[in-house]
Amino acid sequence: DAGITQSPRHKVTETGTPVTLRCHQTENHRYMYWYRQDPGHGLRLIHYSYGVKDTDKGEVSDGYSVSRSKTEDFLLTLESATSSQTSVYFCAIKTWGTGELFFGEGSRLTVL
Amino acid sequence: SQELEQSPQSLIVQEGKNLTINCTSSKTLYGLYWYKQKYGEGLIFLMMLQKGGEEKSHEKITAKLDEKKQQSSLHITASQPSHAGIYLCGAANRSPPQGAQKLVFGQGTRLTINP
Repeated sequence: DAGITQSPRHKVTETGTPVTLRCHQTENHRYMYWYRQDPGHGLRLIHYSYGVKDTDKGEVSDGYSVSRSKTEDFLLTLESATSSQTSVYFCAIKTWGTGELFFGEGSRLTVL
Repeated sequence: SQELEQSPQSLIVQEGKNLTINCTSSKTLYGLYWYKQKYGEGLIFLMMLQKGGEEKSHEKITAKLDEKKQQSSLHITASQPSHAGIYLCGAANRSPPQGAQKLVFGQGTRLTINP
């Protein structure tokens, strides 16, 4: 599992509330990603990080922000959650030597 | 932007039969990833292919990369119920795939194995 832990694994919240999802890794990987998975859309990249405090946008970044203050944690924040952000969110890490990409177990978010 | 198309979208095979899933890219492939996902669960990494003509195998699953055709295929030999799930391909958008490039994914192929 490449030492990836996502939290919370399940969350139900109301429209307009802030939400933060956490991705924690234990193996000091440089590259970390946040994806969302939705029926009919597949996996889409939200944001990614290539080092501490170094992040960039993916294809569906609107309404999301990220932070990476230390190597092991990559946080995804929804400043004001909307129903369209109901989804399963996956964190991923890429290993430096091989380029292999491993995913966490996912965080299921429901916005009512 | 790069798009990946998987075919077929769904596949039902009898246990013991062989099957192939294809992943075709609209642009040049720089690294192709294959994953398996059980419903409601995370993605399990199967294989990564980087070079044209490369072929990798893991147990009864073999993946090949055809750069000229911008296509990869995943072949399962003597399918078993444990092979059932959704298979996803993902592709890097530039070389080398070890860098922090963005990956795009296909829509997935749902595989059902009938006993």
